[in-house]
Amino acid sequence: GIQVEQSPPDLILQEGANSTLRCNFSDSVNNLQWFHQNPWGQLINLFYIPSGTKQNGRLSATTVATERYSLLYISSSQTTDSGVYFCAVARYQKVTFGIGTKLQVIP
Amino acid sequence: EPEVTQTPSHQVTQMGQEVILRCVPISNHLYFYWYRQILGQKVEFLVSFYNNEISEKSEIFDDQFSVERPDGSNFTLKIRSTKLEDSAMYFCASSGTGGGLFFGSGTQLSVL
Repeated sequence: GIQVEQSPPDLILQEGANSTLRCNFSDSVNNLQWFHQNPWGQLINLFYIPSGTKQNGRLSATTVATERYSLLYISSSQTTDSGVYFCAVARYQKVTFGIGTKLQVIP
Repeated sequence: EPEVTQTPSHQVTQMGQEVILRCVPISNHLYFYWYRQILGQKVEFLVSFYNNEISEKSEIFDDQFSVERPDGSNFTLKIRSTKLEDSAMYFCASSGTGGGLFFGSGTQLSVL
């Protein structure tokens, strides 16, 4: 099956700092999403981004489908950004998650 | 904003018992999914469902699992004889023609 690798696995940021999270995948995909899992376990959809670039406030994402990677940018991080960020790719009806990047933003 | 709803939020059961986890997908969505997440691990695909039948399933989705859409709104996951290792957060998701998964808040299943 398709392999999804996320890096870094863990990240500690000072509040206000910027960061880039990466997702590599091993095969062509129909869909790619970024999710934030908050401390209560909820999966919050951040971006549906099979290709191109999108921005939503302090977050933006870029997917280069031909090179099989996606990047999630967090600017001016806040403590509420803490949690686990998952990349999930879909090939036909099967969606595979990466293992996530655990982000901790400290004041 | 429409959302996927799951009930119950927590379920505690004895090993060997049957459990049914319930989900109400977003009303105009056509594709339905179940995922699970063992504590501290990644989210794992279990099964996808379209047009009243399973379209894809993982190795995890063995004979003890089944899914059903008993009416026009509910989507259920049944675990026939629960094992300790079935303890996990179970997420339901749905998607429409535009793509993109929308997740419910999950059911935390604890098997004792």
